[in-house]
Amino acid sequence: KAGVTQTPRYLIKTRGQQVTLSCSPISGHRSVSWYQQTPGQGLQFLFEYFSETQRNKGNFPGRFSGRQFSNSRSEMNVSTLELGDSALYLCASRRTSLSYEQYFGPGTRLTVT
Amino acid sequence: QKEVEQDPGPLSVPEGAIVSLNCTYSNSAFQYFMWYRQYSRKGPELLMYTYSSGNKEDGRFTAQVDKSSKYISLFIRDSQPSDSATYLCAMSPPSNYGGSQGNLIFGKGTKLSVKP
Repeated sequence: KAGVTQTPRYLIKTRGQQVTLSCSPISGHRSVSWYQQTPGQGLQFLFEYFSETQRNKGNFPGRFSGRQFSNSRSEMNVSTLELGDSALYLCASRRTSLSYEQYFGPGTRLTVT
Repeated sequence: QKEVEQDPGPLSVPEGAIVSLNCTYSNSAFQYFMWYRQYSRKGPELLMYTYSSGNKEDGRFTAQVDKSSKYISLFIRDSQPSDSATYLCAMSPPSNYGGSQGNLIFGKGTKLSVKP
């Protein structure tokens, strides 16, 4: 069974631009969570989606947004990029909203210059 | 005080050693405890998860939770060079604390190096 896939794997953007990252969960998984990983802060929760609805949101500014489609695929968007947004963005999928086992994708490495 | 504290290491051990990795946490409401392994340039991989206090064993790995001390551990027996990675502990707060199973709180990870 294919794992979680994320595209693109690497991205370089300029301050002020916006970016959209994509995540395809494991087949049959309906819940998707997004995390930001930086050397200084570690892994921090961004938001969680289940059945196209945002279930929970972390402590990030409104420039960070996401959505989930009917096929469970998810996208996250960051507008007005700042240098501090440079990070590894990880997507994790779960079978249901009650499952505890989260399976992570390889991440998208975003560099903001 | 951060919710989850984890010694970042680095930790270097010889092949075959027993490795002990630890995390402490401040919120006594945490119920589910997980350990992830992350190789360089890869996403975290779920190793084990446990509910509440006690031990859980899976091959060379043993996860231990002591809720009274708010302390969790991961033991690796007969460590191998292939175990060299960053190990992350993670916890899930209950929904009545504003959390959910999809919102994991992570330690910053301990970098482990197993030398042949």
